[in-house]
Amino acid sequence: LAKTTQPISMDSYEGQEVNITCSHNNIATNDYITWYQQFPSQGPRFIIQGYKTKVTNEVASLFIPADRKSSTLSLPRVSLSDTAVYYCLVVVNSGGYQKVTFGTGTKLQVIP
Amino acid sequence: GAVVSQHPSWVICKSGTSVKIECRSLDFQATTMFWYRQFPKQSLMLMATSNEGSKATYEQGVEKDKFLINHASLTLSTLTVTSAHPEDSSFYICSAAPAGRAGRDTEAFFGQGTRLTVV
Repeated sequence: LAKTTQPISMDSYEGQEVNITCSHNNIATNDYITWYQQFPSQGPRFIIQGYKTKVTNEVASLFIPADRKSSTLSLPRVSLSDTAVYYCLVVVNSGGYQKVTFGTGTKLQVIP
Repeated sequence: GAVVSQHPSWVICKSGTSVKIECRSLDFQATTMFWYRQFPKQSLMLMATSNEGSKATYEQGVEKDKFLINHASLTLSTLTVTSAHPEDSSFYICSAAPAGRAGRDTEAFFGQGTRLTVV
């Protein structure tokens, strides 16, 4: 299983862009990179998923270099409500279904 | 988007009793569901994979006789914590991926979690 490494915590002021980088050195050829957000006492919520280069949706962008050994989640102009734990995951296809293994996550604290 | 619902959201039980947690996929069918446990300030730990119509697959170190999993239909999986002890107190979360779409490029949908407190 591809292991992910990301910073334990980050602080940011409101309105700033936040970039969270994750390393996944032994990612397999067909694995996808997925990011989830989790608020306290809630289940994780899907943010974005990508395979290579850049993916953008209404809430975030995901940058993946050519070697795919790392990825960066970019949150534009964060607000206080973005304070949460962000998990970088490598989606493993195990026996035909999706098995998701969580790393430590990055606790983002947005400061007024 | 797809919805996965857990019930109950929280439960308090006495030590030695059993507690059942339900996980339902409300608008899609899921041949496979996953159960996680999360202790305070820690990440989610995968406990087991629940397979519709067959036995669950447990992760190393998870006692299958203590955490009974039943996946009787394509929309329901249950986790029963048997003979609960205070150390079983945790946040339990399930997830599912739609049948027929499961694969590496499919997001998993998570329930809202169940807070279990054993006293």
